[in-house]
Order: sequence, then structure tokens, then C-alpha cells
Amino acid sequence: GAVVSQHPSRVICKSGTSVKIECRSLDFQATTMFWYRQFPKQSLMLMATSNEGSKATYEQGVEKDKFLINHASLTLSTLTVTSAHPEDSSFYICSARDGASSGMGNNEQFFGPGTRLTVL
Amino acid sequence: DAKTTQPTSMDCAEGRAANLPCNHSTISGNEYVYWYRQIHSQGPQYIIHGLKNNETNEMASLIITEDRKSSTLILPHATLRDTAVYYCIVRTQAGTALIFGKGTTLSVSS
Repeated sequence: GAVVSQHPSRVICKSGTSVKIECRSLDFQATTMFWYRQFPKQSLMLMATSNEGSKATYEQGVEKDKFLINHASLTLSTLTVTSAHPEDSSFYICSARDGASSGMGNNEQFFGPGTRLTVL
Repeated sequence: DAKTTQPTSMDCAEGRAANLPCNHSTISGNEYVYWYRQIHSQGPQYIIHGLKNNETNEMASLIITEDRKSSTLILPHATLRDTAVYYCIVRTQAGTALIFGKGTTLSVSS
């Protein structure tokens, strides 16, 4: 089955530093990737949608200058949390859409294992 | 996409069937019902999806009512490893983001 990886799985950083999280589709080409964050005991909240080769579309309330998304290839998207603060501590999850899968007949989105960010 | 309503939590004994309900009374004709689950501190895992016919795979069965206003996810023989938050999502278009509600926390105990 389709596999999506994230790196790192866990990161601890100091307040004010920037952190980059990678999301890779390992055995398929991802035309679209999605980034979510999840606070403790809450559901996943969509942050942004990125299409390969174009600018990401951010959800309302998500600062695009703080959460930089780059989707430079069909297998890699990165999320950079700039000038991180303790309130950015969260579980960040990406999902990737298999570009070869068409229509609704098959499941075409696959999730990564998540990255736990702790900002001290 | 239509809104879904799920119970906050459910309990199930190991080895018994777990039946998780979902209401989606405003679902439209071209919207699919998807089920995902999330085990603690992991990414969501796809379970099953369907349009109007009942579906079954190696993980679960999905029963959709004839009027499509509700559905039930059935785990036929729940194990401790099935303890997770289960999300029912209604979705129109392939390629769009999955929007997660609060889901149902299923606790399977021995």
C-alpha cells in the first residue's frame, strides 16, 4: 500500500528558532499534500493545501508567513515553523494524494505518522 | 461537504462486534461516506468508504441506510488494538482535504 513518511518524528526546540518538517510519499507521486495540526485531546485541524509547483493555500487563521510550505517535487513537501513559540507545540500530520488515482472509487489519500513538536 | 454527528465515546468488550454509528442527514447524492481511525499519537488510518451500497473489507464493514442519512461502521471482532478515535467523514470531491470532526473514542477492554 501507499506509504507516507514524516521526518523528524519528534523534535524539541527553543523558542524563537525555526523547525522544518518533511513529508514524503515513498511509492507514489503526490500531486497534492495537506498539512494538519492536532492539539492534545482535539481533532485534526487542516492548516493548508499544497500542490506541486505552486503556492500553498492556507486555511483561515493560519499565518502563511509563520508556517512556510514548500512542495517542490511530487514526492516531498516541507513545513517550516518559523520563530516557533510554545503555543506552536503540537502534533503535525501530513497527508498526500496519489495523483494516479482518479475519482472516488478508491481511497487516494494517505497520512504520515505525524511529527511531535515541542517548543521550550 | 455534509456535517456528521457521532457519539463521543463507546465501549466494547474484546472479541465482540463494535458498531459505531454516524449521522449525516444532510448528505447529498454525490457525497461519499469515509471512515478513518487514529490510534493515539499516530496518523489517521483509512478504514473504508462507500456511496450507497454496503461495503466490506478486511478491516470492517460499512452499512449505509437506504436514505443515506446514517451509516454504521462494524468491526466484527474487536481487539485491544482497535482502541482508537474513529472519524466518519462525508466528502464530495476526490482530491480535496479531509475535514475531521470530533469522532468517537472507542475503548476495547478485555
